[in-house]
Amino acid sequence: DTEVTQTPKHLVMGMTNKKSLKCEQHMGHRAMYWYKQKAKKPPELMFVYSYEKLSINESVPSRFSPECPNSSLLNLHLHALQPEDSALYLCASSQGGLYGYTFGSGTRLTVV
Amino acid sequence: GQQVMQIPQYQHVQEGEDFTTYCNSSTTLSNIQWYKQRPGGHPVFLIQLVKSGEVKKQKRLTFQFGEAKKNSSLHITATQTTDVGTYFCAGQPLAGSEKLVFGKGTKLTVNP
Repeated sequence: DTEVTQTPKHLVMGMTNKKSLKCEQHMGHRAMYWYKQKAKKPPELMFVYSYEKLSINESVPSRFSPECPNSSLLNLHLHALQPEDSALYLCASSQGGLYGYTFGSGTRLTVV
Repeated sequence: GQQVMQIPQYQHVQEGEDFTTYCNSSTTLSNIQWYKQRPGGHPVFLIQLVKSGEVKKQKRLTFQFGEAKKNSSLHITATQTTDVGTYFCAGQPLAGSEKLVFGKGTKLTVNP
């Protein structure tokens, strides 16, 4: 299995809702990432997990809460989001260090 | 902080013409990676360059890493309509670093 699977593919949520994005990989990659991508912009790093521990938090607002239950799963819990948080949320994994990232197909999030 | 500049932002070519995108980092990189994102898709890893002056080829694509490990280029020979998409370079500032800094990308359109 050489894929990163993200669910759901699309999500519409209100500003008072709580939702979660899920990401799964079975490649044995030790590092997993959450990226946010706005239209016509490059991916922007949010969080990095290395060996299931949070290693980088790029000053992301607390309304985004990451979780890594095990080495194959990564969640992003969303609460009280703003319309400007609407974006494509990409999960990626890598062996770390000098290897390329494998991205999932993303969750297209719309906050209304 | 670390910045990776990428030019041009957009490039429109006739099918069969060549295409080049350039990346320049404000600091020396451990390695540079290239990704392609099709319209509506997610970034897909193309290649990683590690050594100073390195040149790698993938069919019609040629990737170069500068001697100072601060700049890189991707050249496509005889473009095809399947080459359409946005090409991102992404630099890793330190060996073993979990952080990948993306350039703004070059959007390539090909007129058949």
